[in-house]
Amino acid sequence: SQTIHQWPATLVQPVGSPLSLECTVEGTSNPNLYWYRQAAGRGLQLLFYSVGIGQISSEVPQNLSASRPQDRQFILSSKKLLLSDSGFYLCAWSSAALNQPQHFGDGTRLSIL
Amino acid sequence: GEDVEQSLFLSVREGDSSVINCTYTDSSSTYLYWYKQEPGAGLQLLTYIFSNMDMKQDQRLTVLLNKKDKHLSLRIADTQTGDSAIYFCAYEDFQKLVFGTGTRLLVSP
Repeated sequence: SQTIHQWPATLVQPVGSPLSLECTVEGTSNPNLYWYRQAAGRGLQLLFYSVGIGQISSEVPQNLSASRPQDRQFILSSKKLLLSDSGFYLCAWSSAALNQPQHFGDGTRLSIL
Repeated sequence: GEDVEQSLFLSVREGDSSVINCTYTDSSSTYLYWYKQEPGAGLQLLTYIFSNMDMKQDQRLTVLLNKKDKHLSLRIADTQTGDSAIYFCAYEDFQKLVFGTGTRLLVSP
């Protein structure tokens, strides 16, 4: 069966520090991968999605970036965090076939001080 | 306006039925989805409905779809305290999902 792992679960970082959140998927090949941010426990904002290695689509302009160095690995990064980057970050995957649901990781709670 | 609208809160008593509503603007989605998010956790896929269906039942869950009015609802029968969570509806936009703002369901004993 397929599983998705995100880490770390919780992160506290100072303003201006770098960020690296990692997400890996097991049990499937060539998945679509997604990064979302959820502010204040409410709606989800799609940040990035990827349909293949090295292919990243950005949905909103910001100081975050994403990379997909391997088929089942998706990384969210920042060179300098802002206070507004605080939130709950969720990784998700779906099968590459059309009309497939997304499956979510457990999320990373990021607090910027 | 928002692509997907949901009411923010719903409060019910244990044992009652809960109905969570969702309206959306895009009519081309093949599937529509309901997700559940418990506090501090990721989203869990609850159920989904094919766009040419009117209703789908899955144990305590019933999904109703009115495609003409672009209205989707989730009914939870015999609601339990463990059902307290945020519920999101979502539709497909090519290879992405567009989520509603979520409805916080509070079940009191």
